[in-house]
Amino acid sequence: DQQVKQNSPSLSVQEGRISILNCDYTNSMFDYFLWYKKYPAEGPTFLISISSIKDKNEDGRFTVFLNKSAKHLSLHIVPSQPGDSAVYFCAASAHGNNRLAFGKGNQVVVIP
Amino acid sequence: DTGVSQNPRHKITKRGQNVTFRCDPISEHNRLYWYRQTLGQGPEFLTYFQNEAQLEKSRLLSDRFSAERPKGSFSTLEIQRTEQGDSAMYLCASSLGNRVGEQFFGPGTRLTVL
Repeated sequence: DQQVKQNSPSLSVQEGRISILNCDYTNSMFDYFLWYKKYPAEGPTFLISISSIKDKNEDGRFTVFLNKSAKHLSLHIVPSQPGDSAVYFCAASAHGNNRLAFGKGNQVVVIP
Repeated sequence: DTGVSQNPRHKITKRGQNVTFRCDPISEHNRLYWYRQTLGQGPEFLTYFQNEAQLEKSRLLSDRFSAERPKGSFSTLEIQRTEQGDSAMYLCASSLGNRVGEQFFGPGTRLTVL
């Protein structure tokens, strides 16, 4: 069963505009959430994370928002740059559990 | 810090053959993970080591799969009697201490079973 869901598999955005990626989860035990970025022929690279005790975490151009009641998180990239073109994975883990559960990923294309 | 490395990067084998992959984690990382990724899917957890102890295994890890980390450094993942359904990208990741997040991934080994 897919415990982490990413809909809208692809997103195209103009350079300089905002990219918004959404992620929903079903497991109420998840308490730590991460976003990874993946370029072709490379492994996923950690981007940003958020603990369930927070509702927002910001790192430069990247901000992650968490809505626990809705079991929903989102990643905002602003301004989007051509180098942001990649597949973005949402991942989650439960306290005391070392495995990460990943969504299927979103392909982002930033148009110069 | 050279990052997580995996070898080989690509492996093509015939059904029924055995294959072995190697992962070298970041040197000071005590935790090592194996994931499998198929086309159009995110990585799926297979197993996890803390130092040399294999502490967790997914039900995806059938009895044809075995993983080791004999000295708490590099790890190997062996698949016996490969099947076409084993074709996937096998990803290794490592992390330090109790931080579950921020697992650092290697480039993966792409397995194709003919």
